[in-house]
Amino acid sequence: EAQVTQNPRYLITVTGKKLTVTCSQNMNHEYMSWYRQDPGLGLRQIYYSMNVEVTDKGDVPEGYKVSRKEKRNFPLILESPSPNQTSLYFCASGLRGTNYGYTFGSGTRLTVV
Amino acid sequence: AQTVTQSQPEMSVQEAETVTLSCTYDTSESNYYLFWYKQPPSRQMILVIRQEAYKQQNATENRFSVNFQKAAKSFSLKISDSQLGDTAMYFCAFMGGFGNEKLTFGTGTRLTIIP
Repeated sequence: EAQVTQNPRYLITVTGKKLTVTCSQNMNHEYMSWYRQDPGLGLRQIYYSMNVEVTDKGDVPEGYKVSRKEKRNFPLILESPSPNQTSLYFCASGLRGTNYGYTFGSGTRLTVV
Repeated sequence: AQTVTQSQPEMSVQEAETVTLSCTYDTSESNYYLFWYKQPPSRQMILVIRQEAYKQQNATENRFSVNFQKAAKSFSLKISDSQLGDTAMYFCAFMGGFGNEKLTFGTGTRLTIIP
């Protein structure tokens, strides 16, 4: 089944404790992206990647890191999480040049206390 | 930069009625794509409908259709014969052409279908 797999689905952590949210897709998509969803703000892009070893900042990159060492994986790293990073996070992937929109993961609800 | 505006934070409608969700956008591009995504309580993001800007014909998917007004930069979603399963958050989104594949979202409209 073609899908984007995100883990974990829920995560509660403490301020300053490094964490990684994993994202993997099995559709050979070049484009991958991370979004955060907050009430009243919709989904905002954090980082994106056009292909392996190519990443760039989105609209709200502060406090986040990403890497794209393999085509299928695009982990999101919070090196020192803070309470303002409490949010719902989505990973998405898409095939470049088709403009059919993205396939989304099932989301990660992160709470930083 | 592109912006997408959804001016209706919440809407509700009786089951079987028709409802229209509004969306406007701003861009200087001539080639772009517009989308409506549905997010039910399961929080999964589901693509509802897609419109290519260079096509004048409005997209339709079963009970879902759009009213695309390119000059007015308006892209509304009409849901006919609404069903309880249509209860969800709906997001309007914009994507540019090749090389500008960022998906820019509006703030969403929470739609409730009343039995």
